[in-house]
Amino acid sequence: NAGVMQNPRHLVRRRGQEARLRCSPMKGHSHVYWYRQLPEEGLKFMVYLQKENIIDESGMPKERFSAEFPKEGPSILRIQQVVRGDSAAYFCASSPLSPGQGVGTEAFFGQGTRLTVV
Amino acid sequence: LAKTTQPISMDSYEGQEVNITCSHNNIATNDYITWYQQFPSQGPRFIIQGYKTKVTNEVASLFIPADRKSSTLSLPRVSLSDTAVYYCLVVLGAAGNKLTFGGGTRVLVKP
Repeated sequence: NAGVMQNPRHLVRRRGQEARLRCSPMKGHSHVYWYRQLPEEGLKFMVYLQKENIIDESGMPKERFSAEFPKEGPSILRIQQVVRGDSAAYFCASSPLSPGQGVGTEAFFGQGTRLTVV
Repeated sequence: LAKTTQPISMDSYEGQEVNITCSHNNIATNDYITWYQQFPSQGPRFIIQGYKTKVTNEVASLFIPADRKSSTLSLPRVSLSDTAVYYCLVVLGAAGNKLTFGGGTRVLVKP
């Protein structure tokens, strides 16, 4: 069972371009989370999705950012008209259940996508 | 959601035991305590989770006193490869909840 797969691992975009980050959850996992991490800082929650539904997007900027988790295929985090401040590592995690649904319900993280906006 | 407070950093030496204490004064009845480890340039990795008393696995032990207002992650006989950031999280015991990370504790293991 492969782990959470994120691609690309590194992405360079010019200001104003679009960035698409992909996340394939572990097999059997229907819960996906996206986090952003700036250098030397902690992880900031962005959005929580469960197959075709957005459960919590309280950490997502209101403009330019969107996320989806279609019935088939990977979850996509889309950043339109990127700016230098979007440069960060973006991590995706998946779990078979919502984290609070039982002891031992852990989330598995991918290796992240490092976005650099030039 | 219960706020967590943990030391920003800790230094240790190979072979020593490292104990990281996390405060979560307003933890609720249904909340779990979870710890993650993150190496540089990698995603976090689940270490251990507990509700009360003591939990032990092959990696660490987690001590939770009766009032559950704090918890201590114990890493026995650390090695250089244990150098990482360790995050304490309080997870609401109900569906639909996300993992909220704080600043974490940066542990540096020296030779």
